[in-house]
Amino acid sequence: GAGVSQSPSNKVTEKGKDVELRCDPISGHTALYWYRQSLGQGLEFLIYFQGNSAPDKSGLPSDRFSAERTGGSVSTLTIQRTQQEDSAVYLCASSLEAEIAGGPDTQYFGPGTRLTVL
Amino acid sequence: KQEVTQIPAALSVPEGENLVLNCSFTDSAIYNLQWFRQDPGKGLTSLLLIQSSQREQTSGRLNASLDKSSGRSTLYIAASQPGDSATYLCAVSTSYGKLTFGQGTILTVHP
Repeated sequence: GAGVSQSPSNKVTEKGKDVELRCDPISGHTALYWYRQSLGQGLEFLIYFQGNSAPDKSGLPSDRFSAERTGGSVSTLTIQRTQQEDSAVYLCASSLEAEIAGGPDTQYFGPGTRLTVL
Repeated sequence: KQEVTQIPAALSVPEGENLVLNCSFTDSAIYNLQWFRQDPGKGLTSLLLIQSSQREQTSGRLNASLDKSSGRSTLYIAASQPGDSATYLCAVSTSYGKLTFGQGTILTVHP
């Protein structure tokens, strides 16, 4: 079956604009995760969803960042009033469940969206 | 706070060599540890996952070991090939949903 897909693959925006990044998880996967990969910080966890709820949003760097998931499938990550430090690759992953057999389930990653804020 | 460190940051070897990548983590209370591969412009591909109760996992030319008490893991690649060139990332899971990654090792295997 198809893997995790993300759109757009590249996004260039001007400082101060809002952007929306989209993630389509693997069909049937109930858990969805967002990460950010930047040169200075490496790969950092942002938020994860189990179904439509977000048990852990501890990695969101500021209140300019928000994410939602509806219908237990597609998720959007929204960044308001973008800043240059938001430039990064935003990676999405999904897993069948967040927890399986007493431990975390394997996460499958999409190709990412490269965001450039000018 | 969990911190993951990978050594070396970069490694260049001739084809055919066996090599070892190192990963260390500060909090030994992990569920599992994973090694990923990342090719330029691509997402992450999971190579091996070691549960906290396991000591090692093997897949083809790859072998990963885990010493949870000392907070260390190694990824051994046998008979390296140019196609192995990529960034290798180590990640630990200490809570559901959240992976903590190292900075990665950039591997170049030259013919």
